Amino acid sequence: QVQLQESGPGLVKPSETLSLTCTVSGYSISSGYFWGWVRQTPGKGLEWIGTTFHGGNTYYNPSLKSRVTISVDTSRNQLSLRLSSVTAADSVTAADTAVYYCARGLGAGSGTRFDPWGQGALVTVSS
Amino acid sequence: QSALTQPASVSGSPGQSITVSCTGTSSDVGGYNYVSWYQQHPGKAPKLMIYDVSSRPSGVSNRFSGSKSGNTASLTISGLQADDEADYYCSSYTASSTLVFGTGTKVTVL
Repeated sequence: QVQLQESGPGLVKPSETLSLTCTVSGYSISSGYFWGWVRQTPGKGLEWIGTTFHGGNTYYNPSLKSRVTISVDTSRNQLSLRLSSVTAADSVTAADTAVYYCARGLGAGSGTRFDPWGQGALVTVSS
Repeated sequence: QSALTQPASVSGSPGQSITVSCTGTSSDVGGYNYVSWYQQHPGKAPKLMIYDVSSRPSGVSNRFSGSKSGNTASLTISGLQADDEADYYCSSYTASSTLVFGTGTKVTVL
């Protein structure tokens, strides 16, 4: 069965770049399917970050598109997320402190659903 | 893109049926049969419960069912059980080839 596990720094300073890795086991990323990231700010709802298909297009949330990069490393069977210029909870813009989930995307188009999900990684933005 | 609209909370007694709504626009919920529903228990990752409006993944109880009318999708839980108490989120594919989630609904079993 497919399993996903997020990893990366739990603390990032404001204005720096958040980097997370998702290790996939039980399935080769290069064999197909979509792979994506979703985040959840503390006590709030889910927000789709983006979805990629190995060898194909990558789709991003328009509100994050200028700051986010999703990529695949088939040699390590990993998915990665980079989010630049992160902001803290007291900023006037949307904060980036959240639990970040990676997940397998299924369905038509750019992927219409996620299953399964990783357990999630909490990233706090603070100086 | 704006989040899909869900009621903040819905409650019911054990054995009853409840329905959670998810309202979007003709560019997402109304335009595609790609609505999914996720269950999330506290501190856990979301779990896919319904996809493509009304399909159930293997292993999901048939007490969970989905439907759609116009720009509004619905999740119905019949025979409510204590373990159904969780947050539920809808999501939809959009005309921009993106995904959008709902605001989330806390289901309480009285």
